[in-house]
Amino acid sequence: EPEVTQTPSHQVTQMGQEVILRCVPISNHLYFYWYRQILGQKVEFLVSFYNNEISEKSEIFDDQFSVERPDGSNFTLKIRSTKLEDSAMYFCASRQRTSALASNEQFFGPGTRLTVL
Amino acid sequence: ILNVEQSPQSLHVQEGDSTNFTCSFPSSNFYALHWYRWETAKSPEALFVMTLNGDEKKKGRISATLNTKEGYSYLYIKGSQPEDSATYLCAFNNAGNMLTFGGGTRLMVKP
Repeated sequence: EPEVTQTPSHQVTQMGQEVILRCVPISNHLYFYWYRQILGQKVEFLVSFYNNEISEKSEIFDDQFSVERPDGSNFTLKIRSTKLEDSAMYFCASRQRTSALASNEQFFGPGTRLTVL
Repeated sequence: ILNVEQSPQSLHVQEGDSTNFTCSFPSSNFYALHWYRWETAKSPEALFVMTLNGDEKKKGRISATLNTKEGYSYLYIKGSQPEDSATYLCAFNNAGNMLTFGGGTRLMVKP
């Protein structure tokens, strides 16, 4: 069964460093998402991406964040200068393009745990 | 800010017990309500996508109901097994792209 994959599973970095989190969405999916969960808090939406551009973003997704689909398979989240409060589990998700309401399902990867020291 | 709440936060049951948890969400601008099952170190697994008021969906021993007018959904597990131990997340979709998640219910089933 096709699945969303993410690498690395755990990333440790120093405050101020740039990190790139990588995702490979399911191959025929056209909508891509990043969410994050800070320990003890709810899963929060960061950004959605469709047709090579951002379609929606939250207040969390400020100028320090960017997303890219550099080739036909990868979808990346870059944090330019990490802060302590960026420590979280980052989830990538993807979904098909469909008009069927019941197929609005987003498929999630296993997450990358980012630790900023 | 959309408010999606789940209760209880955690639940310990014995193997064989049946259990249920609640997700409450805004009753306006409803598009879909998603339930996910999430085990640590694994991908959250989609259980149900519910779209119509009065919907009831079932997958094995797990079922869910939806009331969009009053803004709640119930998830039921019949005859809980240790392998049902996980965090169950609901997520509200209001026709935008994003999902707004509840805090989850952590279920632990003791053998």
